[in-house]
Amino acid sequence: GAGVSQSPSNKVTEKGKDVELRCDPISGHTALYWYRQRLGQGLEFLIYFQGNSAPDKSGLPSDRFSAERTGESVSTLTIQRTQQEDSAVYLCASSPQKAGTQYFGPGTRLLVL
Amino acid sequence: QQQVKQSPQSLIVQKGGISIINCAYENTAFDYFPWYQQFPGKGPALLIAIRPDVSEKKEGRFTISFNKSAKQFSLHIMDSQPGDSATYFCAASRGGGSNYKLTFGKGTLLTVNP
Repeated sequence: GAGVSQSPSNKVTEKGKDVELRCDPISGHTALYWYRQRLGQGLEFLIYFQGNSAPDKSGLPSDRFSAERTGESVSTLTIQRTQQEDSAVYLCASSPQKAGTQYFGPGTRLLVL
Repeated sequence: QQQVKQSPQSLIVQKGGISIINCAYENTAFDYFPWYQQFPGKGPALLIAIRPDVSEKKEGRFTISFNKSAKQFSLHIMDSQPGDSATYFCAASRGGGSNYKLTFGKGTLLTVNP
């Protein structure tokens, strides 16, 4: 079946602009995660959604970062007033239930000039 | 604070050789240790995982060895193949895997030469 999809695959923006990244999880997966992967680094947890529960936002690095999820489907990660240090690959993952195996999308590569 | 330390940063192995990647953790509450494989341009994919009630888990050519007292675990790839060339990440979480928040190592770039 279809895996996790993310769009755009690449995004180049200017410092100070806002960006929106989209994630389409696997159908039926109730849990959705966002991670950031900086060059040469491991994945950093950003935010977690599970069903109708309040999201775990504990990994968001600043108030410029926010995310929303519509029901158990699409999620968007928004970065406001982008900075050069925001340049990274942003990965989305979903799992069929809380803490199940996480299936990752291909990521969005963000470059802030 | 880096809670999962992974080494080496990069590794070159000849085809047919054994690839060994090591991870050490600090949080003794961790009790679920997965390994992920990532090919260029793709997201990470779960390769194999272990819980601390066993010292070793094998799936095909991939084996995880776990040393609870040393707080270390390692991935062994037997008979390494060029198709195994990828970046490998170890990770850890607590709550027997029921905690969704994975802490990742920085990754190891494995190159298997033909």
